[in-house]
Amino acid sequence: QKEVEQNSGPLSVPEGAIASLNCTYSDRGSQSFFWYRQYSGKSPELIMSIYSNGDKEDGRFTAQLNKASQYVSLLIRDSQPSDSATYLCAVDRGSTLGRLYFGRGTQLTVWP
Amino acid sequence: GAGVSQTPSNKVTEKGKYVELRCDPISGHTALYWYRQSLGQGPEFLIYFQGTGAADDSGLPNDRFFAVRPEGSVSTLKIQRTERGDSAVYLCASSPGMDGNTIYFGEGSWLTVV
Repeated sequence: QKEVEQNSGPLSVPEGAIASLNCTYSDRGSQSFFWYRQYSGKSPELIMSIYSNGDKEDGRFTAQLNKASQYVSLLIRDSQPSDSATYLCAVDRGSTLGRLYFGRGTQLTVWP
Repeated sequence: GAGVSQTPSNKVTEKGKYVELRCDPISGHTALYWYRQSLGQGPEFLIYFQGTGAADDSGLPNDRFFAVRPEGSVSTLKIQRTERGDSAVYLCASSPGMDGNTIYFGEGSWLTVV
């Protein structure tokens, strides 16, 4: 089992819809969780971090964490074509500062 | 500079050759990381520097890979006897160090071994 698994995608939603991206992780001791956005040919860009159970909202983005289920999700409300990218889930197990375990990513396309 | 700077942005080399990739972190960041991203995969950790020392090099795939950070700022990733399987994007990232674990990536060095 991989450290971090993401729903395989690709995911395609119409403009204005809610995009839901999911991620599970294997190490129950993991402490910090991140969502990165990566445009084609570009480097990953941090969009959300979450450290405790529950929801964290930032503009159109909401991250949800459930440590009991070892599950992290990202909701994008009012999706825009500019949100089209690959979204990477990353987990910090707390072993080495800044050592992140990434999923393979979910490719999101928002069509006008 | 404002962000993490990596050079070269693209490198094509022949199998068996030696390659160096350079990273200049965000000014003042004490922590520096190298990750590798293959096509269709997420980034994989290679090595972490805190200051000049490699605090965790357990992600380096084999002894052909080596990295240095002699003055605690710029780092160089060195790959000897390159193989076609080394083809990937090599991402450097930095963070303030002890203050949180948010890391900031550079644009990467695309390495192609032919």
